[in-house]
Amino acid sequence: EIHLVESGGLVVQPGGSLRLSCAATGFAFGDNTMHWIRHVPGKGLEWISLISWDGGSTHYADSVRGRFTISRDNSKNILYLQMHSLRNEDTGLYYCVKEESLEGFGEFGGLGTLVTVSS
Amino acid sequence: IVLTQSPGTLSLSPGERATLSCRTSQGVPNNYVAWYEQKPGQAPRLLIYGASKRATGIPDRFSGSGSGTDFTLTISRLEPADFAVYYCQQYDIPPWTFGQGTKVEIK
Repeated sequence: EIHLVESGGLVVQPGGSLRLSCAATGFAFGDNTMHWIRHVPGKGLEWISLISWDGGSTHYADSVRGRFTISRDNSKNILYLQMHSLRNEDTGLYYCVKEESLEGFGEFGGLGTLVTVSS
Repeated sequence: IVLTQSPGTLSLSPGERATLSCRTSQGVPNNYVAWYEQKPGQAPRLLIYGASKRATGIPDRFSGSGSGTDFTLTISRLEPADFAVYYCQQYDIPPWTFGQGTKVEIK
């Protein structure tokens, strides 16, 4: 059973920075594409970013491109999301999600970490 | 691709049948549509992938159907544990997109 533990969420002022982490167990982390998805109050689930199994390919939603950077450390089984120039609308619950290798669907395995951007 | 779920809220009693709809703004060529259940304080749980395939451990009262632009999640007989929010998602054409959710509440 996959287990994903997201951490790093805090209350931060607009313009601030945060780094989120996601510790993965229960599967071969280095074999899978990983994603960040956020749940924004009143707006539902929004895909944020993905990174290929080896880190060689990354993609971002238009809403965060140029401000967020996704990375991974396969030796430690950890996924990261570096967030800069945070805005009020970045407030939400951030989940890391494993992409199933063969079928391509996403598997959530954690409770998320809460980011609140507020002055 | 924009996903539109209906209804927004479904008020039903235990034992009744729930039918949830998900319409996509353009065709999903490989029917890569998933359904997730989310309860307060919990991560979304995968129910259905590939429009109609049940995920591991999901009871057979949950079924998915549809193709093209119209997809449906059916819960044949609601149990108390099934009252939750349900999201559809397409993972066929990047980026992944989600519907806004349907809340199934106790009538």
